[in-house]
Parts: sequence; C-alpha cells; structure tokens
Amino acid sequence: GENVEQHPSTLSVQEGDSAVIKCTYSDSASNYFPWYKQELGKRPQLIIDIRSNVGEKKDQRIAVTLNKTAKHFSLHITETQPEDSAVYFCAARVGGSNYKLTFGKGTLLTVNP
Amino acid sequence: GAVVSQHPSWVICKSGTSVKIECRSLDFQATTMFWYRQFPKQSLMLMATSNEGSKATYEQGVEKDKFLINHASLTLSTLTVTSAHPEDSSFYICSASLVTDTQYFGPGTRLTVL
Repeated sequence: GENVEQHPSTLSVQEGDSAVIKCTYSDSASNYFPWYKQELGKRPQLIIDIRSNVGEKKDQRIAVTLNKTAKHFSLHITETQPEDSAVYFCAARVGGSNYKLTFGKGTLLTVNP
Repeated sequence: GAVVSQHPSWVICKSGTSVKIECRSLDFQATTMFWYRQFPKQSLMLMATSNEGSKATYEQGVEKDKFLINHASLTLSTLTVTSAHPEDSSFYICSASLVTDTQYFGPGTRLTVL
C-alpha cells in the first residue's frame, strides 16, 4: 500500500519567516495530494490540495509543489503568523482506491511572535 | 458548504458497554464516508471506508465485529464501538467526500472508557 513520509516532525519559525514541510510517497499511482491543518482538539481543515497533472498551486500565502518523478510534494507558507501555529498533515491518494487517503505523521509548526 | 457534524463530541463510558457515534454530512450527499482514529500527538489512522447501502471496508488490523459501521443514507454513517475497553479510548473522526477527492472532516468524538 501507499506510504507517506513527512518531515520535519516539528518546526519553529519566527513570525514573518517562511515555513516548508516536505512529504514523500511510495506509490507512483498516487494522483491527489491534500494538506490539512489541525489545531489542538479540532478537526483537520483542508488548506490546499494538488493533483498529479499540476506541478504547483498557490493560494495567497500557501503554496504546494509536486515532483512526480521524485515522488515528493511540499507545503510552503510565507509570511507566517502566530495563527499558523498548528499540526499540518500531508496525505496521498492512490487512483481508484475509493478516495482513501494515506496520511503523513504530521508536523507541529510553531510561529513565534 | 461541505459541513460534516459528529455526535457526541465527547463520551465517557464504562468498560464493557457499547458506544455509538454519528457522522452526518449537513449540506451535501456523501458518496463515501471514512472513519479515523487519532491518538494524542499522532496521525490519523484510517479504520474503515463506508459507502451508502453497502458493507464497510475495514483496514487491516481493525476488528469489524468490534467497530460496527452502518451507512444507512447518503448523509449519515454511524460507528459503534462494542464492548469498549480502556484501550479503545481515543479521538474518533469521520470524514465525508463528494464525488471528488476532497474529504471534509467532522469535529471528532473523544471517547474515554473507564
């Protein structure tokens, strides 16, 4: 089955700096890669996603890049703010798998004011 | 749009009892619903996938007789933890998807088994 590795497990940045979280996946048939933000005790919230026919997608301060050849994708957050502090999860979906997602272990992002 | 609710938000029960958790898609019909389990400071672990009107597909290692899933309609799925034990204490989260890939998560149910 699909295996998703996520790094780093923790990331601390100063407010205004950029943050980058990286994930690798194992199954070359994966074609959908969402990123979720989860605050303590809350539900995961979809923040951005990318499909395999696109190399990059941007939404304001958040961007995701995908390298299919290397089987890795990254989340980029620019101009970080304290409210960006949360756990971020990447995920991958193998095509035709009934939309089942495999999640990475998560990255705890702390933005220091 | 794409709101998913869960009930209850938290529950405490005695060991040996059963607990039912409901997951509803409020403003859309979900073709598929998913049940996850999340331990503190850990990732989301998929337990099972359910489609309306058919049997759930359980992930390896998840006991289908212990975690009963019913998906009676396109807006409601239930998870029943039968004969709960302290090791079943966890955060249970459901998600629902439209015909696209996107999964929308419920707020979760914190189960504590005494």
